[in-house]
Amino acid sequence: GQQVMQIPQYQHVQEGEDFTTYCNSSTTLSNIQWYKQRPGGHPVFLIQLVKSGEVKKQKRLTFQFGEAKKNSSLHITATQTTDVGTYFCAGLGEAAGNKLTFGGGTRVLVKP
Amino acid sequence: NAGVTQTPKFRVLKTGQSMTLLCAQDMNHEYMYWYRQDPGMGLRLIHYSVGEGTTAKGEVPDGYNVSRLKKQNFLLGLESAAPSQTSVYFCASSYFGEKLFFGSGTQLSVL
Repeated sequence: GQQVMQIPQYQHVQEGEDFTTYCNSSTTLSNIQWYKQRPGGHPVFLIQLVKSGEVKKQKRLTFQFGEAKKNSSLHITATQTTDVGTYFCAGLGEAAGNKLTFGGGTRVLVKP
Repeated sequence: NAGVTQTPKFRVLKTGQSMTLLCAQDMNHEYMYWYRQDPGMGLRLIHYSVGEGTTAKGEVPDGYNVSRLKKQNFLLGLESAAPSQTSVYFCASSYFGEKLFFGSGTQLSVL
């Protein structure tokens, strides 16, 4: 079955620094979605990427979809304490019907 | 609008007991999902539904059953709870597979 892997599993970041988290799928994706889950909370939708090579920005967050539509990345610049949480990517496989497969998440901890 | 509402928020069961988790959404979404979240495992799909009266198996369906008799409700049942089912359960809904809206979760402990 379709597998979605995220690295790193944990990311310790100094406040003000940049970091990137990566998402890789075992199969080609129709789209990829990113979610953020604050500690003790529920996942909240951030963005969806559909096109090969697509890049989208939300303030300090930059999302990219790979040319082969099998990988994605989230880059955060000038990390703030409000960025603390777990970031999940979720891929909808081209042959997966309607099932969205989540990666294991990257847990981000920010050092002030 | 309440969005996606899950009940109960917390539950403790003994091994072998049964229970039903209720998910209700007021956004007229077609798709509904049940996920479980365990530490370090991300979100794993248990069952999902693409419309009223339909259900389908996800990645980890064993030990669970679901029903979608009404469009706005999606029920998750545990017939005979096991300690391995201790987890946080999230319900989610979407129009047609994009942008999932999640409920606040149910913390289930099976002793």
